[in-house]
Amino acid sequence: QQQVKQSPQSLIVQKGGISIINCAYENTAFDYFPWYQQFPGKGPALLIAIRPDVSEKKEGRFTISFNKSAKQFSLHIMDSQPGDSATYFCAARKGGKLIFGQGTELSVKP
Amino acid sequence: DTAVSQTPKYLVTQMGNDKSIKCEQNLGHDTMYWYKQDSKKFLKIMFSYNNKELIINETVPNRFSPKSPDKAHLNLHINSLELGDSAVYFCASSQDYTKDEQFFGPGTRLTVL
Repeated sequence: QQQVKQSPQSLIVQKGGISIINCAYENTAFDYFPWYQQFPGKGPALLIAIRPDVSEKKEGRFTISFNKSAKQFSLHIMDSQPGDSATYFCAARKGGKLIFGQGTELSVKP
Repeated sequence: DTAVSQTPKYLVTQMGNDKSIKCEQNLGHDTMYWYKQDSKKFLKIMFSYNNKELIINETVPNRFSPKSPDKAHLNLHINSLELGDSAVYFCASSQDYTKDEQFFGPGTRLTVL
């Protein structure tokens, strides 16, 4: 049973465009929702995270939108750059355990 | 000044062999984790140790045995390797199991032939 569902699986965006990745979760006990960025051959690295009592969090070009009633959250990357090309994972935490979404491979074309 | 390091980076071995992957963190964290990333890039937690004690043990074959000699180290030993064990294994750490950010190592790519 996949507790965190992520879409799309892959995404191609033009340089300067907006990249949007969506996640949905089932368990209302999750208390922390991070997004991780992974470049080829590297480990995932925390990009931005949000708690369920906040509806939006922005850090530079990256924004998380969180809809508690719909049990959905999304990552928006504004002014997408070729250097943003990577795999992005949403995740949800319960009791110290991170449950990851399936990942989205983002490609930003110059 | 690597935060979370793993050795080896690549491991190629035959079916049936026993192998170990080592992980060390120099962040002073209390909690360490092992994750498996499969060929479709799906990341799944396997184990977590907090201050050398096992706190998370997912449904993992008992051929996999983690060992934490001290809170800066978490090793993964795998017995009787199978083809399906081929994956990238990531070690991670966090300040403690209640703290948010987990720092991942560079991964160990295990290939079982």
